[in-house]
Amino acid sequence: AQSVTQLDSQVPVFEEAPVELRCNYSSSVSVYLFWYVQYPNQGLQLLLKYLSGSTLVESINGFEAEFNKSQTSFHLRKPSVHISDTAEYFCAVSEYTGFQKLVFGTGTRLLVSP
Amino acid sequence: GAGVSQSPRYKVAKRGQDVALRCDPISGHVSLFWYQQALGQGPEFLTYFQNEAQLDKSGLPSDRFFAERPEGSVSTLKIQRTQQEDSAVYLCASSLRAGGSSSYNEQFFGPGTRLTVL
Repeated sequence: AQSVTQLDSQVPVFEEAPVELRCNYSSSVSVYLFWYVQYPNQGLQLLLKYLSGSTLVESINGFEAEFNKSQTSFHLRKPSVHISDTAEYFCAVSEYTGFQKLVFGTGTRLLVSP
Repeated sequence: GAGVSQSPRYKVAKRGQDVALRCDPISGHVSLFWYQQALGQGPEFLTYFQNEAQLDKSGLPSDRFFAERPEGSVSTLKIQRTQQEDSAVYLCASSLRAGGSSSYNEQFFGPGTRLTVL
């Protein structure tokens, strides 16, 4: 079984400041790793994913996450946030095999203020 | 392009009522998932369909919850005798291929149905 821990329930930050949202996972098997974003009154959108290869993955809107196997972490970072980044961010994992159901963390609310 | 759609978007039910939540997956997608997202929590897996076959229902919280996908496309999640603890957002997701392979199979999520039980 897998589990995902997001210790920060809410992260307030000023516009143009850097941000890091933390994610740690536990699994006895190899997993895929994901960050999903949920804007108010919208569905979940895949932000970025780690499947294999380079441990640093990037999204089209400036976010990046680094897979660290030894620390079982997949922290999300952005060097300069915008007001529009205000949303709920969920870290998730799934097994390589089977039907790949997603196991989510409890989420981190990113609040960007001017 | 058509994504995953869910209806209704919002549902208010009195305790004890039965409700039915609908999911229209992306056309041609073989796999369909239901997740439950309680307030302040991450989504939690409820059940999985491969075409019309329900292959995993281990996440259904009680026997009051029932899901079906009779023709391998539209799915319905039914909750009988709703309780206040059933209040949550119910998310549906679909993916193109069947499970069982080791290649990545992206899930696409619908907007969810917010169920409030009074």
